[in-house]
Amino acid sequence: GAGVSQSPSNKVTEKGKDVELRCDPISGHTALYWYRQSLGQGLEFLIYFQGNSAPDKSGLPSDRFSAERTGGSVSTLTIQRTQQEDSAVYLCASREDRDYGYTFGSGTRLTVV
Amino acid sequence: GESVGLHLPTLSVQEGDNSIINCAYSNSASDYFIWYKQESGKGPQFIIDIRSNMDKRQGQRVTVLLNKTVKHLSLQIAATQPGDSAVYFCAENNAGNMLTFGGGTRLMVKP
Repeated sequence: GAGVSQSPSNKVTEKGKDVELRCDPISGHTALYWYRQSLGQGLEFLIYFQGNSAPDKSGLPSDRFSAERTGGSVSTLTIQRTQQEDSAVYLCASREDRDYGYTFGSGTRLTVV
Repeated sequence: GESVGLHLPTLSVQEGDNSIINCAYSNSASDYFIWYKQESGKGPQFIIDIRSNMDKRQGQRVTVLLNKTVKHLSLQIAATQPGDSAVYFCAENNAGNMLTFGGGTRLMVKP
């Protein structure tokens, strides 16, 4: 597609519920990244996929967080047993290669009530 | 890590003035640098990039300066407009395929 697409754009969930956030990267981009951004703060790295390599999960804050990337394209970030501190904007980005920057999606705003 | 605290530094400028946003990067081996602009409710958007074999690059109303000696990157915005109000992030690419982001600077343009 023309850009990185994320869905849903907004999600309100009750504490303790599981949520799935979706990212459709730009076609042909081999690298895909998830970041989290709390209100008024910077970008917190979560996880990185590169081609068929094992993902870099070093940024995931707890074992409640997981992500997968199917067929080298679409990625899903899953948060289990959501907590109020999980409330943030979750941003996905993709990249063609290291000679270029990331292209970000518009994010999913998650609110845990 | 990329997150650096609760409050972003803020630069407040008058409409029509020039803005300079600064960034100190961490890795002397970084070979590629990018500035992103993030408006409220949107994802970061690419503004301009520069490679380590250059010290200056110009775009439309924006200029990026790279000083490798002191590991400093700056973004200059000429004739700042209200639409330039946003949070600006610098990013560096070192050995791998990941960018390391600065903490961000909020630019507020006063009419």
